[in-house]
Parts: sequence; structure tokens; C-alpha cells
Amino acid sequence: DARVTQTPRHKVTEMGQEVTMRCQPILGHNTVFWYRQTMMQGLELLAYFRNRAPLDDSGMPKDRFSAEMPDATLATLKIQPSEPRDSAVYFCASGLLAADTQYFGPGTRLTVL
Amino acid sequence: AQSVTQLGSHVSVSEGALVLLRCNYSSSVPPYLFWYVQYPNQGLQLLLKYTSAATLVKGINGFEAEFKKSETSFHLTKPSAHMSDAAEYFCAVSEKSGSYIPTFGRGTSLIVHP
Repeated sequence: DARVTQTPRHKVTEMGQEVTMRCQPILGHNTVFWYRQTMMQGLELLAYFRNRAPLDDSGMPKDRFSAEMPDATLATLKIQPSEPRDSAVYFCASGLLAADTQYFGPGTRLTVL
Repeated sequence: AQSVTQLGSHVSVSEGALVLLRCNYSSSVPPYLFWYVQYPNQGLQLLLKYTSAATLVKGINGFEAEFKKSETSFHLTKPSAHMSDAAEYFCAVSEKSGSYIPTFGRGTSLIVHP
């Protein structure tokens, strides 16, 4: 049963620290998405990759967030420096086609103190 | 442009009662439509999707949704709620043409009372 995996599942850090979240998409999927979920804002799209190329990162604060896909099996989301308002659950999802079904990972719950 | 509206951030039903979660969408071209479910502390998972085949789509766990083009709706129903159905439900729309990625609604929390 193929699944999207995310590490770490939980992260507590202090303001100003760098945070790196990792995602392993389902093998063969060529689209990868990063979302942020909060009670206030709901589910927000941060970035979208196709064939490892970033196609849309308009939802991401550019000054502190960065997303990359070093290879087809790894996607990373970095926050530097982190701020308390970044506290949220971050989800990675992958799929075969941009418009079709997305398969979500279990999320990384980030708490910035 | 595509958008989706879920009416009601919370829906409360009794166990055994009909579940109806509402979703209206806008799309300039034929859409894909999705319902996802999110259980506590988990990621979203696909419940069902419409891709222009039958307008009545059956999903997992006894859920189904009907695509009504004239009403631009894709409401989710289940005849009899179970306690295990308590979760957050998200409707999403994407446009088949091009590479438009899905737009998600704000979600509806389903509460099931014993």
C-alpha cells in the first residue's frame, strides 16, 4: 500500500530557528504539493511541483520559506527563521496529474515558541 | 477561475440519521469534483470523485455524491450516520483542461451524536 511519508511528525522549536520538513511522495507520482492547515485559515496551498520543477509557490512567504525537490523521492520545505505564526500542520501530497486525486501524507505538526 | 463553497462549517446529526454536506462550485470548464475526509490527526484521504462519468458517484464508507450541473452542486450524502463518520470533510474542484490544481473548500466538521 503506497503512501506519502512525512518527517518529522511533530516539531517544537523556538522562534528564529530553522525548520526543515521532509516528504517522500508515492513512487511514480510526478506532482507534489505542500499545504499548511490552521484553524483560522483552513487549508492553504504553499507550493506545487511537477517533475521536480516548482510551478507555483505564490502561497508561500518568500522571505522565510523555501521548497525544493532535490530528487524525485524527496521534497523539502524549509522555514528560516521560524516565527510563532508559522505554527500549523504542514501536509505534503502527491499525484499523477495536477488536476486529479491528491494523496496526502500524515502531516508535520509544527509548534514555534 | 474555479472556486468552491461549503455551506456550514459544522453539521451535527444523530447516529443513524441522514448525512448531508453541501458543496457548490464554480468552474468555467467541465470540472473534476472531489470529496476528501480528514480524521483527527491524519491527512486528507479521497472519499470519492466525479470525472464526467455517472453523475451519481459512490465512495467509500457508504458515502455518495451527485453532480448537478444546473445547480453547480456536488452534495455529499450518507443514508445512516455512524459514530466513526465524525471527521472533517472537504470538497474540492479542479478544471480538467490544462493543469489546474484543485481548489479546496473550507471544510465541514461532521459531528455525530449517539
